Amino acid sequence: DAGVIQSPRHEVTEMGQEVTLRCKPISGHNSLFWYRQTMMRGLELLIYFNNNVPIDDSGMPEDRFSAKMPNASFSTLKIQPSEPRDSAVYFCASRYREATEAFFGQGTRLTVV
Amino acid sequence: AQSVTQPDIHITVSEGASLELRCNYSYGATPYLFWYVQSPGQGLQLLLKYFSGDTLVQGIKGFEAEFKRSQSSFNLRKPSVHWSDAAEYFCAVGANNNDMRFGAGTRLTVKP
Repeated sequence: DAGVIQSPRHEVTEMGQEVTLRCKPISGHNSLFWYRQTMMRGLELLIYFNNNVPIDDSGMPEDRFSAKMPNASFSTLKIQPSEPRDSAVYFCASRYREATEAFFGQGTRLTVV
Repeated sequence: AQSVTQPDIHITVSEGASLELRCNYSYGATPYLFWYVQSPGQGLQLLLKYFSGDTLVQGIKGFEAEFKRSQSSFNLRKPSVHWSDAAEYFCAVGANNNDMRFGAGTRLTVKP
């Protein structure tokens, strides 16, 4: 398996634009996580899905952020409109089930100017 | 929800010296515990994990960690550090509700 695949690896956008980050989890994994990493706040859990259903989105910063998982092999994290403070590295991770480790993608480095 | 504390933001050790990175968790039941390592510009790689059984777990790259329920700790150790171990280390706790939370991380610098 190719592991968790995230795209794009880097994204530079202007303030106010819509940004969509994509994630393909490992085949057969039932849980998917979106994390945001910044120097100030470390690694924050934004939202996680179990069997394509959002379980906890309490970490999503505000209504500008939304996440979907239309099927078991694809998820998106959308920011609309984007702001400079959204600049961070966004990681997607998946795991087979409870009590197993999560596997991380390489991350998407987002810069909002 | 569960939480994780890594008290040390940055640690510097000399190459060949021993290492211990601290991790304390808060969770009402038996947690699932993990240590991950992140090299610059990379994603997180699993070093080791604890689910149940032997409280001393061995991981990759010569790392080990010990689960101490009485202290709510899961400290990471390595007897002799190599320059290639310089990275950021994250402790994480998983819960029965499938959530997974990470500590703030400890950045390790290795002096020649």
